[in-house]
Amino acid sequence: AQTVTQSQPEMSVQEAETVTLSCTYDTSESDYYLFWYKQPPSRQMILVIRQEAYKQQNATENRFSVNFQKAAKSFSLKISDSQLGDAAMYFCAYRSARIKAAGNKLTFGGGTRVLVKP
Amino acid sequence: DSGVTQTPKHLITATGQRVTLRCSPRSGDLSVYWYQQSLDQGLQFLIQYYNGEERAKGNILERFSAQQFPDLHSELNLSSLELGDSALYFCASSVAAGKREKLFFGSGTQLSVL
Repeated sequence: AQTVTQSQPEMSVQEAETVTLSCTYDTSESDYYLFWYKQPPSRQMILVIRQEAYKQQNATENRFSVNFQKAAKSFSLKISDSQLGDAAMYFCAYRSARIKAAGNKLTFGGGTRVLVKP
Repeated sequence: DSGVTQTPKHLITATGQRVTLRCSPRSGDLSVYWYQQSLDQGLQFLIQYYNGEERAKGNILERFSAQQFPDLHSELNLSSLELGDSALYFCASSVAAGKREKLFFGSGTQLSVL
């Protein structure tokens, strides 16, 4: 079974600065997807960024970028130019590409709370 | 707004009771997923339906059951409730069930078992 680990329960960042969230995962599969979700106080789960394992290029979405290290099974999220609205829980998630066996289920890490200081 | 609607937003009940959580997926989405978020277990996948049929099952208790109706809305039934069932229950939907599908989450139903 796949597991996802987020070792940082909480991270604090100054507004306009950069913060990096760590995520490691364990899998024996070679084809899979990795995600970062944001959960603000409203509780809504919002997709921040997605990475396909067969793509070597790191995904980028505006101020959000990832550092995907497949061999190390590491998938970190960098938030640049942090804004007050970035304050939230961030969850790393894994999804197998073996749909018939695993469905589309997401396996989540325990989350990292990001605090943004003005 | 993700387009996924969950009702009710909050539910308070007693141990031993039975409740039903409802989810209306985005218009056109055929696949529905249920997740549980609790302090103890974190975010866990419960079950997935695609076009009315069960597609994948996760850590769903036998006291819990779900179904997807012909109009594609889904219900999660929780029975013989225990204190530990208190959690935020999310529904998500996607257009289909392929590996590239993007999931859209509802705002959740907060269940409190007293």
